[in-house]
Amino acid sequence: GAVVSQHPSRVICKSGTSVKIECRSLDFQATTMFWYRQFPKQSLMLMATSNEGSKATYEQGVEKDKFLINHASLTLSTLTVTSAHPEDSSFYICSARGDRGGNQPQHFGDGTRLSIL
Amino acid sequence: KNEVEQSPQNLTAQEGEFITINCSYSVGISALHWLQQHPGGGIVSLFMLSSGKKKHGRLIATINIQEKHSSLHITASHPRDSAVYICAVGAHKIIFGKGTRLHILP
Repeated sequence: GAVVSQHPSRVICKSGTSVKIECRSLDFQATTMFWYRQFPKQSLMLMATSNEGSKATYEQGVEKDKFLINHASLTLSTLTVTSAHPEDSSFYICSARGDRGGNQPQHFGDGTRLSIL
Repeated sequence: KNEVEQSPQNLTAQEGEFITINCSYSVGISALHWLQQHPGGGIVSLFMLSSGKKKHGRLIATINIQEKHSSLHITASHPRDSAVYICAVGAHKIIFGKGTRLHILP
């Protein structure tokens, strides 16, 4: 089946650091990629949707200047948490889909657990 | 009221038992997903369905569009089935339920 690789799986860093998370589709071209955040015992919440070659669409309440998303190729999207603070500590997970229309399922990465000290 | 409601929130059962997890939603949808999240956090997509019933191994998913309800069944449950099972609705933008934490005892 389709595989999405997310890296790193865990990050621990000091407050003020910027952290980059990569999401790669390994065996299909990901036209659309999604970034989610999950706080403990909460649902996954969509942060932003990115289509290859265009700017990401951010959900309400998500700061685009803080969470920079780049989807420069059909196999790679990155999320950069800029100047991270303890409240940004969370589980971040990406998903990828091979079409824009929504007829194909999303394939999820294994997630990145971010801990800001 | 959440747009996607799952029940039960937690379920503990003995190995071999037949498991049912329910999902009700209040929005119009084009697709419903069942996902499995392992303790480490990784998510596996189990089913994407828009009508009827799908089966994969010991897993069965059904959906009733008129009643806005879906069920996930696990037959002959095994400890390795222990995970959080998440119902999600939507095609392009997905709305997730809070999940059902399943623990199968050996």
